[in-house]
Amino acid sequence: GENVEQHPSTLSVQEGDSAVIKCTYSDSASNYFPWYKQELGKRPQLIIDIRSNVGEKKDQRIAVTLNKTAKHFSLHITETQPEDSAVYFCAAAQNTGNQFYFGTGTSLTVIP
Amino acid sequence: DTAVSQTPKYLVTQMGNDKSIKCEQNLGHDTMYWYKQDSKKFLKIMFSYNNKELIINETVPNRFSPKSPDKAHLNLHINSLELGDSAVYFCASSQEITGRRISEAFFGQGTRLTVV
Repeated sequence: GENVEQHPSTLSVQEGDSAVIKCTYSDSASNYFPWYKQELGKRPQLIIDIRSNVGEKKDQRIAVTLNKTAKHFSLHITETQPEDSAVYFCAAAQNTGNQFYFGTGTSLTVIP
Repeated sequence: DTAVSQTPKYLVTQMGNDKSIKCEQNLGHDTMYWYKQDSKKFLKIMFSYNNKELIINETVPNRFSPKSPDKAHLNLHINSLELGDSAVYFCASSQEITGRRISEAFFGQGTRLTVV
């Protein structure tokens, strides 16, 4: 099965700085890579995703990059704000599969 | 309208009891999932199910069983509850979209199970 590793497990940044979270996956058949944000006591919610036919995707302050050859993908948050504080999960899935495999999560704290 | 809903939101029960958590999605999705989130916040897949097959994570004890009365529901039944079953359980759903691609997984609000 797929194995998704995520680093770092915790990350603290000053407000306005950038935050980067990195994930690697093991199964070259994975072709869909969503990122989820989970606020305390809430459900995980999608913030951005990328498919294997694209190398980079951006949505305002959030961007994701994918390197299929190296099997890694990263989340970039620029101009961080206190409300960005949450746990972030990367995931990998296959279009023809029935499972999402999640990384171990990164607890991001943005210090005002 | 809530897309994926779970009940109950909180469940406190004694060891040895049998309990069920209900999940319903109104998105018309064809695949549903159960995830367990432990105290370290890890999201572990327990089951995925569509109208074709049930995929069971081999690490899940057979005290856990999914039951799907129809495409919109995937309930989780747990027998002989143990202290280690305490966690937050999330239901989710997804769909095959245009071009035979998988959609994002939509999560329910979670059920916090506490076994005492």
